[in-house]
Amino acid sequence: GAGVSQTPSNKVTEKGKYVELRCDPISGHTALYWYRQSLGQGPEFLIYFQGTGAADDSGLPNDRFFAVRPEGSVSTLKIQRTERGDSAVYLCASSPRRTGYGYTFGSGTRLTVV
Amino acid sequence: GENVEQHPSTLSVQEGDSAVIKCTYSDSASNYFPWYKQELGKRPQLIIDIRSNVGEKKDQRIAVTLNKTAKHFSLHITETQPEDSAVYFCAASRDNAGKSTFGDGTTLTVKP
Repeated sequence: GAGVSQTPSNKVTEKGKYVELRCDPISGHTALYWYRQSLGQGPEFLIYFQGTGAADDSGLPNDRFFAVRPEGSVSTLKIQRTERGDSAVYLCASSPRRTGYGYTFGSGTRLTVV
Repeated sequence: GENVEQHPSTLSVQEGDSAVIKCTYSDSASNYFPWYKQELGKRPQLIIDIRSNVGEKKDQRIAVTLNKTAKHFSLHITETQPEDSAVYFCAASRDNAGKSTFGDGTTLTVKP
């Protein structure tokens, strides 16, 4: 597509529930990133895909967080047993190659855990 | 891992004045330094970037400088306009690693 698309734009869920956040990157971009942004802070790295594989998942905070990109395009970030501290804006970004290029970010999913 | 510090956290200037935002990084292997602009409620957008083999880069009213020895880089905006008001983020990354480390942002307000 023309830009990076993220759905839903807003998600309110109850503590303990499971959520899925979707990212559709720019067509042809092989690298896909997930970041989390809390109020007043810069984006915090979660995971990076090169093609279908997770090249670096060192930013995932714990095993409640998991992400997939089965066909090398759309990616889903999955959060189990959500906690109030998971509330943030989850940003997806893509770039044409692995590194050395700026990102095109999506508009983000604002997750609120109540 | 990499640590990026950004200053100031807030900056207010009069329209037409210049604005300077500074960042320092800790990882001497970092070699790519982008800057993003984020307007309220919107996505971060890349505005300029610089690689470690270049000391300065300019694009119209925006310029970025890099001092590899001191491990710091700066964003310079000249002839500021009200539409420059936004949060600006610096970031640093290595060529052999996918992720970027971001600063905490600078809220720039340009008063008309």
